[in-house]
This record gives sequence, C-alpha cells and structure tokens, in this order.
Amino acid sequence: DQQVKQNSPSLSVQEGRISILNCDYTNSMFDYFLWYKKYPAEGPTFLISISSIKDKNEDGRFTVFLNKSAKHLSLHIVPSQPGDSAVYFCAASGTGNQFYFGTGTSLTVIP
Amino acid sequence: EAQVTQNPRYLITVTGKKLTVTCSQNMNHEYMSWYRQDPGLGLRQIYYSMNVEVTDKGDVPEGYKVSRKEKRNFPLILESPSPNQTSLYFCASSLSLWGALGYGYTFGSGTRLTVV
Repeated sequence: DQQVKQNSPSLSVQEGRISILNCDYTNSMFDYFLWYKKYPAEGPTFLISISSIKDKNEDGRFTVFLNKSAKHLSLHIVPSQPGDSAVYFCAASGTGNQFYFGTGTSLTVIP
Repeated sequence: EAQVTQNPRYLITVTGKKLTVTCSQNMNHEYMSWYRQDPGLGLRQIYYSMNVEVTDKGDVPEGYKVSRKEKRNFPLILESPSPNQTSLYFCASSLSLWGALGYGYTFGSGTRLTVV
C-alpha cells in the first residue's frame, strides 16, 4: 500500500510562473519529508527537506510547506525555469530506518 | 569527485542466472540503500545498511540479497533473477541515517536490468 502519494503524474507551467507540486501521506508517524529531482538517465538529486516541527522551509526558489493535520506537503518553485523540467519525488521517513517515496510528478516548464 | 558508482549501467540477462550489481561510494558514508523504480510505483526500498555488517530489509526484499563487508561497497545480488525483477535500480548513500533525513541521499546513476 502506497504510504506516500503524488496524485498528479504530470504538470505543465509557463516559464516565470509558480509550480506547485503536491504530496500526500498516510502514516502519521512520518516526521521527516524530502523532495528529490530527477533528470532522465540520472539518479535523483536531493532538493529540500522539512521536519515535522516546522511548517515551511525555503531554499532560494524552492519552498516546501507541510500541513501535518492534512498529511499534505507541497513544493513551490518560484519563478519556474525551463531547467526545472524534471520528475519530482517526495519522500518520507518516521521512527524507523526506512524511506518511502511517492510515484513522482513530471514537471514541464514551457519557455 | 564525491559520487556513488553503480555497475553495470545496463544489463540484459536470462531467468535464473545469478548476477551482482555493484555499488561503491567514496564519501565514507555509513548509510547505504538500494531502490528499484517501476512505472506507477515510484522508488521502493529493497535493502538498506546502517553500517558495515549491518543490513536490513526494506519494502521489497524478496529475491534479493545484499552484503556490507566494507563501508564503501554495497552490492546487490540476485541469486535467481526472474522477469518481475526487470526494473531500474538505484544505489544511494548518506553520511548517516540522520544525514539522509536532513540532507538527503546521494544516488548513483542507476542500473537498468532486463530479465528475459
């Protein structure tokens, strides 16, 4: 059973606009959340993380928001650039030593 | 250059023929992990290792073995591959579990395995 879900397989956004990628989770014990970015023929690369003691974390153009009551997190990219076109995975971990990844959202930024 | 190196990048094999996918990292990382990526299923953890000689099952360990005899190497072994193990495999490492939580993994470039 998928504990981390990304319900939008794909998203297209105009260059310069905001991209919002969403992720839902089912396990209330998760307390660390991460976003990874993946280009074709490469491994995922770490983008940004957030722990459950925060509800927002920013790093340049990337901001992750966490809504614990809704078991929902989102990644905002502002402004979106063509080089942001990639597959984005969210991941979660809790008290165990394992990580659970979502199915990914393919973002296309249109010039 | 700090990296995780997997070999081979591509492999086609036949059912039942034992194979090993190697993974090596040069960052002195303690925590290493194997994932497989399948369409519609995302990345699923196969095995992970907290340190030398310490390994544990992830979500989908059936049909796989691992070993961690040295800190830098974490090979994935398929004793008797079957077609349902056709997938894209990634090795990943992090300084520690806590590093993986806060700063993420470093992933290898992937191994595309086809079992016919």
